[in-house]
Amino acid sequence: AQKITQTQPGMFVQEKEAVTLDCTYDTSDPSYGLFWYKQPSSGEMIFLIYQGSYDQQNATEGRYSLNFQKARKSANLVISASQLGDSAMYFCAMREGRGNTGFQKLVFGTGTRLLVSP
Amino acid sequence: DTGVSQDPRHKITKRGQNVTFRCDPISEHNRLYWYRQTLGQGPEFLTYFQNEAQLEKSRLLSDRFSAERPKGSFSTLEIQRTEQGDSAMYLCASSSQREGYGYTFGSGTRLTVV
Repeated sequence: AQKITQTQPGMFVQEKEAVTLDCTYDTSDPSYGLFWYKQPSSGEMIFLIYQGSYDQQNATEGRYSLNFQKARKSANLVISASQLGDSAMYFCAMREGRGNTGFQKLVFGTGTRLLVSP
Repeated sequence: DTGVSQDPRHKITKRGQNVTFRCDPISEHNRLYWYRQTLGQGPEFLTYFQNEAQLEKSRLLSDRFSAERPKGSFSTLEIQRTEQGDSAMYLCASSSQREGYGYTFGSGTRLTVV
């Protein structure tokens, strides 16, 4: 079963508008973390925002906010006031696992391509 | 220290050749990860180092793959006898033990096996 599901292969938004990118997750671990990364065409993964499973408030970082609905297991990314430079792939990821080594790996969804038009 | 550096950025090799990639993490980060990303997919975990110790390996890491991190600084990922299915972006990331701030990824090495 998919651990992270991103159902929107592509999204279009006009500059200055807000856009929501969907992400649902599946885990039985009570302690987990959710991340959003941006990947421009150059390839690097840029960290945007983090939400811990025990955080009481939704995370915000500038124009990015995470709409965390724990009961629904969703962690949607909201980008306000879109800019042309926001055009990129966006990946939702979940940190899971804490074995003997204390290791936690990130599990990624398949991504959503966002295109911002003038 | 400006981030995680990966070298080379692009590599084209013939099937059957060996290739080696290098990753220089952020200097104060003791954790280092390798991920592979194929076209249209998100990155998939390959292996994890804490300092110089390789503590986790994915089943994706076949016997043809080997990773090292001597002295707990830079890391290398070697693929022997490359196959066309190895064509992918290989991403390196590093992190510290502080919670909640994810990994810092490098720009990746894009491998094309012809």
